[in-house]
Amino acid sequence: EAGVAQSPRYKIIEKRQSVAFWCNPISGHATLYWYQQILGQGPKLLIQFQNNGVVDDSQLPKDRFSAERLKGVDSTLKIQPAKLEDSAVYLCASSLTSGGDNEQFFGPGTRLTVL
Amino acid sequence: AQSVTQLDSQVPVFEEAPVELRCNYSSSVSVYLFWYVQYPNQGLQLLLKYLSGSTLVKGINGFEAEFNKSQTSFHLRKPSVHISDTAEYFCAVSGDGNKLVFGAGTILRVKS
Repeated sequence: EAGVAQSPRYKIIEKRQSVAFWCNPISGHATLYWYQQILGQGPKLLIQFQNNGVVDDSQLPKDRFSAERLKGVDSTLKIQPAKLEDSAVYLCASSLTSGGDNEQFFGPGTRLTVL
Repeated sequence: AQSVTQLDSQVPVFEEAPVELRCNYSSSVSVYLFWYVQYPNQGLQLLLKYLSGSTLVKGINGFEAEFNKSQTSFHLRKPSVHISDTAEYFCAVSGDGNKLVFGAGTILRVKS
């Protein structure tokens, strides 16, 4: 079974530039998550999709971050414009359903450096 | 809302010694508890989870954890560690709203 795929693996940009990350979840997984992991901290949920609908985006900085999951499969997360404090690893995860007892499967992450 | 406290940011231990990584949580509702491991430059991988039933949970790679409701703890243990266990370990709780909340992580450094 293929795992969660993410690209790119690394990205370096200057502040005020825009950047986009892509995620392909495990086939058949209805729920997709984007997390932000700042160095020295645990992952923090940014947004959760159930199929192509948003379930929770309460911690997404909506003035600069946006995400979509068209057709309920792949997802993109965009930052525009980026700030220095956005430097982090962005993790995508997926699970079969949205239940709290479900295992989430994580991709390798995209490491973003904002200069 | 839930929160997770991992009491040690780093735990150094010699190979073949036992180890315990501590985790405490707070929640006003019933919770599910998880331990994930993250190897360098990789995503998180599930080690074990507590959903209900027996409070002693066994996971992969010889790890186990014990759920203690009265102490709101879910400590991770391994009787004998290997060099390959060097990684960062995250405790996480899911409860209200099914959102997974992670602790700050504990780096386990196994020395030869």
